[in-house]
Amino acid sequence: SQQGEEDPQALSIQEGENATMNCSYKTSINNLQWYRQNSGRGLVHLILIRSNEREKHSGRLRVTLDTSKKSSSLLITASRAADTASYFCATRGNQFYFGTGTSLTVIP
Amino acid sequence: GAVVSQHPSWVICKSGTSVKIECRSLDFQATTMFWYRQFPKQSLMLMATSNEGSKATYEQGVEKDKFLINHASLTLSTLTVTSAHPEDSSFYICSVAGSSGRVRSTDTQYFGPGTRLTVL
Repeated sequence: SQQGEEDPQALSIQEGENATMNCSYKTSINNLQWYRQNSGRGLVHLILIRSNEREKHSGRLRVTLDTSKKSSSLLITASRAADTASYFCATRGNQFYFGTGTSLTVIP
Repeated sequence: GAVVSQHPSWVICKSGTSVKIECRSLDFQATTMFWYRQFPKQSLMLMATSNEGSKATYEQGVEKDKFLINHASLTLSTLTVTSAHPEDSSFYICSVAGSSGRVRSTDTQYFGPGTRLTVL
């Protein structure tokens, strides 16, 4: 299976702290994407990083990709209570595969 | 990004009935749409890829006759859960791939808000 696995499964931090989530996958990819999902809602695309890129920034988000280790990380800096959600990585090879997700809770 | 809607947002039905879920892309033509199912606290599982004007491509283990997909136009795909049973209760999410205008890139998916199906 090409499905990504994320860790931690759950993360709880204080507002203002940074949150780091990791994603590992199994086969070669064209790109990797991160999505956010609020409880019971659809997914929102956050950021895409291509296989030839190593790092990408978008606002308070920083994504890294290490294709040799088949892993990616999502860093949310200066977290806010509104960042509370589940975060999924998705790999794009021949198809899309979603990771297992990290549930982030930011405590005000 | 693209705007995707789903209808209904929540449906409750009796066991044995069929339920149709609509997925619409509101601001561009989508040749490809995806249908996912998500169980509570789990990740999304791709059910099928819906191609406009042709038969859907189902993932392994997904029953074609139970989950009927019709992609009759570039803005509408429907998923019909036939003879629904309690184990079909789940969150069904559609997505479209690409950017505004005619879809050329399938790099990014834009998701609908999801439909919660509860089968009694």
